[in-house]
Amino acid sequence: GENVEQHPSTLSVQEGDSAVIKCTYSDSASNYFPWYKQELGKRPQLIIDIRSNVGEKKDQRIAVTLNKTAKHFSLHITETQPEDSAVYFCAASKNSGYSTLTFGKGTMLLVSP
Amino acid sequence: NAGVMQNPRHLVRRRGQEARLRCSPMKGHSHVYWYRQLPEEGLKFMVYLQKENIIDESGMPKERFSAEFPKEGPSILRIQQVVRGDSAAYFCASSPGQGGTYEQYFGPGTRLTVT
Repeated sequence: GENVEQHPSTLSVQEGDSAVIKCTYSDSASNYFPWYKQELGKRPQLIIDIRSNVGEKKDQRIAVTLNKTAKHFSLHITETQPEDSAVYFCAASKNSGYSTLTFGKGTMLLVSP
Repeated sequence: NAGVMQNPRHLVRRRGQEARLRCSPMKGHSHVYWYRQLPEEGLKFMVYLQKENIIDESGMPKERFSAEFPKEGPSILRIQQVVRGDSAAYFCASSPGQGGTYEQYFGPGTRLTVT
């Protein structure tokens, strides 16, 4: 089955800096890669996703890149703000008729003012 | 458009009791997924259901756990004879189906504590 590795497990940055979180996956058939943000005690919220037919996607301060050859994808947050502090999860799935997500173990991002 | 609803939000059970967790998908969504999150860990897939059908239960323990999504009403995750190791947050997610979109939207979760 699919295995998703996520690094780092914790990341501390100063407000205004950029943050990068990286994930690798094992199943070359995976073609959908979402990122979720989870604040303490809250639900995971989908913040951005990418499909295998593109290499990069941006949404304001958030971007995701995908390298299918190397089987890795990354989340980039620019101009970080304290409200970006949360746990971020990457996930992968493939279109085998349905979309079960395999999640990484998460990255705790702390943005200091 | 209401999001995914789960209840109860918090559930305390003694060892050996039964726990019933309910999930109502977003309006227009016919696919429900259940995930378990242990403290400081990621989300682990348990079971995927469509109305009246279990599609994939490969992540669900064979014993004590069951799930259903009836024609009418919410999806239910049932844990019989709970043990302390069942203490976790249980999230459900819903998606519109197989029509070319994969996004899953999560509910607020049920935090189960077994004493």
